[in-house]
Order: sequence, then structure tokens, then C-alpha cells
Amino acid sequence: DAGVIQSPRHEVTEMGQEVTLRCKPISGHDYLFWYRQTMMRGLELLIYFNNNVPIDDSGMPEDRFSAKMPNASFSTLKIQPSEPRDSAVYFCASSLSKVSGRSVFGPGTRLTVL
Amino acid sequence: DQQVKQNSPSLSVQEGRISILNCDYTNSMFDYFLWYKKYPAEGPTFLISISSIKDKNEDGRFTVFLNKSAKHLSLHIVPSQPGDSAVYFCAASAHDKVIFGPGTSLSVIP
Repeated sequence: DAGVIQSPRHEVTEMGQEVTLRCKPISGHDYLFWYRQTMMRGLELLIYFNNNVPIDDSGMPEDRFSAKMPNASFSTLKIQPSEPRDSAVYFCASSLSKVSGRSVFGPGTRLTVL
Repeated sequence: DQQVKQNSPSLSVQEGRISILNCDYTNSMFDYFLWYKKYPAEGPTFLISISSIKDKNEDGRFTVFLNKSAKHLSLHIVPSQPGDSAVYFCAASAHDKVIFGPGTSLSVIP
């Protein structure tokens, strides 16, 4: 298995532009998580899905952020419009059900909003 | 308010000595605790875990201790090696939701 795949690995965009981050979880994993890592706040959970259904999006910072999981092998995190304070590393992770928290993380997408 | 705290942002240890990383939590509903290790430019990787029904779990050089009454856990690395230099995240799980601490950067000095 190739592990959790994220694209792009790096994204540089200008304020106001739409940004879409992509994630392919490990096949068979029932849970998918989106995290954001910043120097100030560490690793924050933004949203997670179980069997493609969003379960908890309380970590999504504001309405500019949205996430979808149209099928078991693909998820997107969209920021529209982007702002400089959104600059961070965004991680996608997946895990098997009943394996509490033992997630496999992707390599992350480093987002820079100018 | 952070539910999982790692009060030491960084730690330096001599190679061969013991590294002790600490973590405190506030939510008594957490029933599973994990440690992840993260190298630069990579995603965190799972290191070791412990269920709330246990007070110790050991895996090679890594041991995690849980003190439920104090809502405290710690990760011991013995002996420490230069390759252990990384950021260590403590995490706690309840109802399939995982909350991470801010991380502790460990430097093992040769």
C-alpha cells in the first residue's frame, strides 16, 4: 500500500484565491481526518469522516473552509477565499474503525497564502 | 482550552541517557492514549499507545506510563539515540475522535 496520499505537497497562492487540498486514504480505512499544523496551535483536528460521512466539523475554523468525501477513496479540503493566516501544513490521516486513534498520516500539504 | 497539554516545547538529552516526555490531559472521557513521532517534512507516525485500563505499556526502548488519577502520561525512551530526534506528539482519544497536544521537540545529542 502506498499509504495516505496527499496532493499537492506544496501550494503557494495569493490571498483571495480558492485552494483545494486532496487526499487519498488507505484502502479499507473507515475514518478520515483532516488536521492543520501551525507553530502557534500545534496539530489541530479540523474535521473527520466515518464511512464518507462527516461526523465532527467543530474544528473547522470558519465558513471559508469546507471538506467533502464523495467516496471511500477521496477527500478534499477547500478554502475559499484563502487568507494569509491559513498558511500552515495540512495533514490528512486515515484509520481502521475500532483502532482508536491509530491513524496513518499523509506527508502533508504545505500551504502558503501570500 | 487545550484538552491535551505538553508543557515542554523542547528537550535535549545526551545519547544513551533516558528521555522523558510528559503529557497532561483534562478530559476524563479519554480512554486511549497515543504517542506519535514526527520528522521534518513528514507526517506524524504512530509510536506507541496505551489503553486507560492499563498503567504501563512497553515496546522495545519505548515505554508509556499512564497515571489516570493525575491525568498524566509520559513516554520514556531508553537509551536515547540520535535518530530519536524529532517532535513527539501526545494524543488522546474518546469516541473515535483524537486530540493532539502541541508537541515536544526532542534533540538527542551524540
